[in-house]
Amino acid sequence: AQSVAQPEDQVNVAEGNPLTVKCTYSVSGNPYLFWYVQYPNRGLQFLLKYITGDNLVKGSYGFEAEFNKSQTSFHLKKPSALVSDSALYFCAVRDDIGGATNKLIFGTGTLLAVQP
Amino acid sequence: KAGVTQTPRYLIKTRGQQVTLSCSPISGHRSVSWYQQTPGQGLQFLFEYFSETQRNKGNFPGRFSGRQFSNSRSEMNVSTLELGDSALYLCASSLAEAGGIYEQYFGPGTRLTVT
Repeated sequence: AQSVAQPEDQVNVAEGNPLTVKCTYSVSGNPYLFWYVQYPNRGLQFLLKYITGDNLVKGSYGFEAEFNKSQTSFHLKKPSALVSDSALYFCAVRDDIGGATNKLIFGTGTLLAVQP
Repeated sequence: KAGVTQTPRYLIKTRGQQVTLSCSPISGHRSVSWYQQTPGQGLQFLFEYFSETQRNKGNFPGRFSGRQFSNSRSEMNVSTLELGDSALYLCASSLAEAGGIYEQYFGPGTRLTVT
């Protein structure tokens, strides 16, 4: 069964410093991985996805993610954090049920707090 | 393009009642999925519809049902509400072309409170 794990409930970083939000995955087939962000009382916003190809994926709002097959990781990164980046971040993997689906399996989320 | 819209945004119901939530996907998106978000269980998949057919279902009791109309709009229904059904219900739409891996776009959610 597909799954993702986010080992950190919360990440604290100072504004201007680089940030990393960690995600590891477990899949039986090809890993189709996603990052979403959720602001308070809002739905989820898509940041980026990995399907295949280049291990460094660039996304919205200056975020990028590094896919590492040997470590089964897909960490979210940003070179310089902003206070406005403070939000809840979810890693997700597309389920593999042997047929067409858009079903996502989400991690538990990591709360990012950026201090001014 | 307009985003995914969900109505109502907030809802308060009592135990035993039923509720219907509505979702309008992004124009051109034929796949609609529903998720339940709670502090204890996180984000859990309810079901997915494509071209008016349910093509995937999560592990929820039969009290949870849904449907999709010919214009891709979707509704989900919860009957005999329980306190544990209190949650944020999120709808997401996506392109669904064969062989593609598409991101989902989420609506703002419907906050359901069961008292």
